[in-house]
Amino acid sequence: GQNIDQPTEMTATEGAIVQINCTYQTSGFNGLFWYQQHAGEAPTFLSYNVLDGLEEKGRFSSFLSRSKGYSYLLLKELQMKDSASYLCAVKDSNYQLIWGAGTKLIIKP
Amino acid sequence: SAVISQKPSRDICQRGTSLTIQCQVDSQVTMMFWYRQQPGQSLTLIATANQGSEATYESGFVIDKFPISRPNLTFSTLTVSNMSPEDSSIYLCSVGGTSGSHEQFFGPGTRLTVL
Repeated sequence: GQNIDQPTEMTATEGAIVQINCTYQTSGFNGLFWYQQHAGEAPTFLSYNVLDGLEEKGRFSSFLSRSKGYSYLLLKELQMKDSASYLCAVKDSNYQLIWGAGTKLIIKP
Repeated sequence: SAVISQKPSRDICQRGTSLTIQCQVDSQVTMMFWYRQQPGQSLTLIATANQGSEATYESGFVIDKFPISRPNLTFSTLTVSNMSPEDSSIYLCSVGGTSGSHEQFFGPGTRLTVL
């Protein structure tokens, strides 16, 4: 079966750095996505990785290792507004998005 | 980017009734997706709605329970039929980005509570 694993919840301090990991087992791979979802709101796109390596976009970076079935989302200089759920999703061989359960990130002052 | 609106934003319904959720996109799109997200859970794809053809349902979802219409390239509806409390969830409409874009855009969601 297809599976996306990410931690259920993480806590970090304002101004610090946090890394949210995602491991996947899917039938084929056509890219990995990270989305941010604030409580009661729709998910919004953060990043897309299809090749190995690090993609940096401002305070957020996303890393992919296809051989290990592994990705992480790195958030720097954490702000209170970063408190949200972070969803990892993989497009499989049929270009269908398989979603992880999401990681709830709690930022403390 | 695509701007998606959904109606209603939330509703409280009685067991056994049906609710139709509308999704409107500000641009023409080939595929529209309907998701369900139960509290604290991941997104689950219900079906893919293509204009001019029957919707494609995922395992565990059937047309009798979740009929979908797709009358044109900017609009779709999802009906939740014969509702039970287990149908209480957030229902999200989504579309893919323009050609070359990998992003998927989501509507604001419809929060459904079934009593």
